[in-house]
Amino acid sequence: GQQLNQSPQSMFIQEGEDVSMNCTSSSIFNTWLWYKQDPGEGPVLLIALYKAGELTSNGRLTAQFGITRKDSFLNISASIPSDVGIYFCAGQGSNYKLTFGKGTLLTVNP
Amino acid sequence: EAGVAQSPRYKIIEKRQSVAFWCNPISGHATLYWYQQILGQGPKLLIQFQNNGVVDDSQLPKDRFSAERLKGVDSTLKIQPAKLEDSAVYLCASSPGTGYTGELFFGEGSRLTVL
Repeated sequence: GQQLNQSPQSMFIQEGEDVSMNCTSSSIFNTWLWYKQDPGEGPVLLIALYKAGELTSNGRLTAQFGITRKDSFLNISASIPSDVGIYFCAGQGSNYKLTFGKGTLLTVNP
Repeated sequence: EAGVAQSPRYKIIEKRQSVAFWCNPISGHATLYWYQQILGQGPKLLIQFQNNGVVDDSQLPKDRFSAERLKGVDSTLKIQPAKLEDSAVYLCASSPGTGYTGELFFGEGSRLTVL
């Protein structure tokens, strides 16, 4: 099956710092999505990307759909304590199945 | 707008016992999903319904797991008999339309511990 490699596995940063995480795949995806999961909650959609090369922002979050269609990255600028959580990338292929990465655990030190 | 409702939030059972989880999706959402999330992993799709028909159940362990979505609204996921490796959070999600966008709305999940 399709596999996603998400990195880093975890990050510990200071409030105000910028954060970057990425996801790579051995398969081509038609859609890349980024979700955030808070403890004890279900994942919440942050950004959806539908076109290779697309760069999309949502507040302090910016995500890009890689030109090769095999990767995506998510940047968070000027992190704040409520950014703490697990960030998942997800790719959707031509069969419309959604494959999730293993997540990046973000800790923000106030 | 009410979100995806799931119950129970927590369940502890012994191996070989049975358990059932319930999900009520967002009103009007045609597509409903059950995902299994093992600690430290991303969600893994178990079954996808569109209205009351199964779209994908290729990763559902059918010897012990079953799911139904009667009347195309709420759904139940059952595990019988449970194994230790079934300990996980079971997430229900829904999406409007056919679910082809990947934009899912998740419930809070049902955490299962099998002893």
